[in-house]
Amino acid sequence: DAGVIQSPRHEVTEMGQEVTLRCKPISGHNSLFWYRQTMMRGLELLIYFNNNVPIDDSGMPEDRFSAKMPNASFSTLKIQPSEPRDSAVYFCASSLRQGFGLAGEGSKNIQYFGAGTRLSVL
Amino acid sequence: KQEVTQIPAALSVPEGENLVLNCSFTDSAIYNLQWFRQDPGKGLTSLLLIQSSQREQTSGRLNASLDKSSGRSTLYIAASQPGDSATYLCAARMDSSYKLIFGSGTRLLVRP
Repeated sequence: DAGVIQSPRHEVTEMGQEVTLRCKPISGHNSLFWYRQTMMRGLELLIYFNNNVPIDDSGMPEDRFSAKMPNASFSTLKIQPSEPRDSAVYFCASSLRQGFGLAGEGSKNIQYFGAGTRLSVL
Repeated sequence: KQEVTQIPAALSVPEGENLVLNCSFTDSAIYNLQWFRQDPGKGLTSLLLIQSSQREQTSGRLNASLDKSSGRSTLYIAASQPGDSATYLCAARMDSSYKLIFGSGTRLLVRP
């Protein structure tokens, strides 16, 4: 498998513009996560999907951020309008499951990360 | 609120040395603890996952331990190599939650 694929790898935009980040999870994985990484705050979970349904979006900073997962193989994170403080590296990750099964199933909880999108908002 | 701390923030060692990276968490009600590696400009790579019922996990030269009662996990790297140079992050997943709470990482440099 090619792993989690994110596009674009780099995005430079001007304040006020709309930005769309894309993610293709590993085939067969039913859990998808969007993270943001900054020097100041480290890695933070933005939103979690299970079977294409958003389970928790409490980490989404504000209404300017939205995420969708129209099918099992594609997700988008959109920022509209973008602001300089949104500059960060955005990661998408997927896992086979995020259940609470037997200890032996722990490996299915492992999250596989994409290479990330480095966003710069000028 | 769970807080995850990693010490030291940075570490430089000569090649061949055995080393230990530390991770501490404030809430012992964790479901599992994971160690990741991040190379510059890259995503995270999962190294080891320890369930709360386990004491340690091993993969090659890596060994991770977990002590819930003391709120600590360690990552032991044997016979370090320059290719081990990266940032190592630990992340705790809480009981009844899917969220990973990440530490700020330890930046490791292994000198040839």
